[in-house]
Amino acid sequence: AQKVTQAQTEISVVEKEDVTLDCVYETRDTTYYLFWYKQPPSGELVFLIRRNSFDEQNEISGRYSWNFQKSTSSFNFTITASQVVDSAVYFCALSGLDSNYQLIWGAGTKLIIKP
Amino acid sequence: EAQVTQNPRYLITVTGKKLTVTCSQNMNHEYMSWYRQDPGLGLRQIYYSMNVEVTDKGDVPEGYKVSRKEKRNFPLILESPSPNQTSLYFCASSLQGPGPPRNEQFFGPGTRLTVL
Repeated sequence: AQKVTQAQTEISVVEKEDVTLDCVYETRDTTYYLFWYKQPPSGELVFLIRRNSFDEQNEISGRYSWNFQKSTSSFNFTITASQVVDSAVYFCALSGLDSNYQLIWGAGTKLIIKP
Repeated sequence: EAQVTQNPRYLITVTGKKLTVTCSQNMNHEYMSWYRQDPGLGLRQIYYSMNVEVTDKGDVPEGYKVSRKEKRNFPLILESPSPNQTSLYFCASSLQGPGPPRNEQFFGPGTRLTVL
């Protein structure tokens, strides 16, 4: 069965520090998709990135970067020079044939950026 | 504006009183889904729909019903709500090309339901 583990329940850092959110997944599929979503205090869910299992290139978008490593079944998310506006709950999710392509979600990591 | 709308946004009700949470999307998406979010559990899928008249159970379907009579609407029905259904509910939709849903999902703003 598929599973997503976000072991960090809550992380607190001071503004401008770099922070990495961990995501470890389990799947028997050879083709699957990984996602990150952000949930700010206002409550909406915002899509950040989708990664296909056959594309292991790391991705950078401004201060955000993602490190996908199939060898360790991890899809970690790093925020560089964090800002107070980055404070949110971040969810990692997995989709594949084993789940009939429904999203399997991690429990989320609450990120607190202190000014 | 492309969006998923949910109504109501907040609802306090009593045990056993039937209620419906509406969900509508204006993006012509084929795929729609309902989730509930509870502290420490992330999001859990209740039901999903690959297309009109096609619905399937997610991980936690007990106590819920859905229907998909039109492409844009996917209401969530609680026939006899109970306090353990107190939660934050999200509706989502995504474009489904050939094959399984692998695109990003767009989420509604959420419905906070309290069952007393």
